[in-house]
Amino acid sequence: DGGITQSPKYLFRKEGQNVTLSCEQNLNHDAMYWYRQDPGQGLRLIYYSQIVNDFQKGDIAEGYSVSREKKESFPLTVTSAQKNPTAFYLCASSLPRQRHDTEAFFGQGTRLTVV
Amino acid sequence: AQSVAQPEDQVNVAEGNPLTVKCTYSVSGNPYLFWYVQYPNRGLQFLLKYITGDNLVKGSYGFEAEFNKSQTSFHLKKPSALVSDSALYFCAVLSYGQNFVFGPGTRLSVLP
Repeated sequence: DGGITQSPKYLFRKEGQNVTLSCEQNLNHDAMYWYRQDPGQGLRLIYYSQIVNDFQKGDIAEGYSVSREKKESFPLTVTSAQKNPTAFYLCASSLPRQRHDTEAFFGQGTRLTVV
Repeated sequence: AQSVAQPEDQVNVAEGNPLTVKCTYSVSGNPYLFWYVQYPNRGLQFLLKYITGDNLVKGSYGFEAEFNKSQTSFHLKKPSALVSDSALYFCAVLSYGQNFVFGPGTRLSVLP
């Protein structure tokens, strides 16, 4: 089955720790995205990548970092510089806009909690 | 800059009645518009999209949406609501910069 896999589903972080959220897709999509969702709020874009070895900051990139060394993988690191990291994190992928069959496919999310 | 508005935080409707969830957008050029649904602690599921063609788009689970260019709207509709339709609904636009911009979401409650 093709899809996006996020792991872990739940993650606990101590103050001052860096943690990495995994996102893997086998849809052969060039574009991948990370969004943050807070309770009762919409999705805010953290980073996105249109192609391997390239990525752009979204609206709330501070305190986060990403890499895109492989087409299938787009891990997100939440650094200690992120002051309020407790949230639900969603990864997505898509075909390019030029493709009329494009849509965003989402993983099941990772819930990160600072303890 | 692209933006999406969903003017209602919450929509309540009785089971069996028609439902509408509103969305307006602001984009330059031709809009690529999408509706997604989210159940608790889950990712977003695709419902339908408008790229080009017929202004009335039919999607999953009996949902449809009408693209209105003059009103810059893309309202989601369903003729007869089910209790199982209760969820969080997001409207989105795909920008020329190749990222999806989402509205704030509308919580739909279908009352039995």
